[in-house]
Amino acid sequence: GAVVSQHPSRVICKSGTSVKIECRSLDFQATTMFWYRQFPKQSLMLMATSNEGSKATYEQGVEKDKFLINHASLTLSTLTVTSAHPEDSSFYICSARDRRSSDTQYFGPGTRLTVL
Amino acid sequence: AQKITQTQPGMFVQEKEAVTLDCTYDTSDPSYGLFWYKQPSSGEMIFLIYQGSYDQQNATEGRYSLNFQKARKSANLVISASQLGDSAMYFCAMSATRFGNEKLTFGTGTRLTIIP
Repeated sequence: GAVVSQHPSRVICKSGTSVKIECRSLDFQATTMFWYRQFPKQSLMLMATSNEGSKATYEQGVEKDKFLINHASLTLSTLTVTSAHPEDSSFYICSARDRRSSDTQYFGPGTRLTVL
Repeated sequence: AQKITQTQPGMFVQEKEAVTLDCTYDTSDPSYGLFWYKQPSSGEMIFLIYQGSYDQQNATEGRYSLNFQKARKSANLVISASQLGDSAMYFCAMSATRFGNEKLTFGTGTRLTIIP
């Protein structure tokens, strides 16, 4: 299957700082990537859809100024959590759509963010 | 709106036995895709199997098969000859269009534990 990487896998930061998470499709081009958030023992909740070369589409209730998304190339999307607070601590996971495989979404390994 | 229901929060199965994980869905879209993902304790989401709403045959992928019953709106995952490594969370998901062009809607998941 297609390979998606995420970096970093784990990050701890102080409250008020910004954190950037990268999502890369390693062996395919992805015009669309998705960013999810997962709280402990819960399902994935879509935050936004990242489109290469255009603005991201955010889900209802997700602050676009807090969660900045940039999809600068066909293999890279970044999520920046600005002015992070402890309530932003969560597991963030991205996926990329592979058109070679019936547009199946392949997921990255996730990033665990802890804000102190 | 789409909805995925997984009614089994947890299951315990003896090693080498077959296991069925339930998934029902609700949608008004005429075409859609159904997916199963596995999430081990490491957190990554591993794609297992895909079923298109217009596919005539049930999808199979190694030890995984999808029991697709369109009239009942169910898409159960069957794992044959379970192994200890199958212990994980399993999520059923659907997309609005046949080829997964739209965002995925996830169920709440089933935690499967394989007993030696």
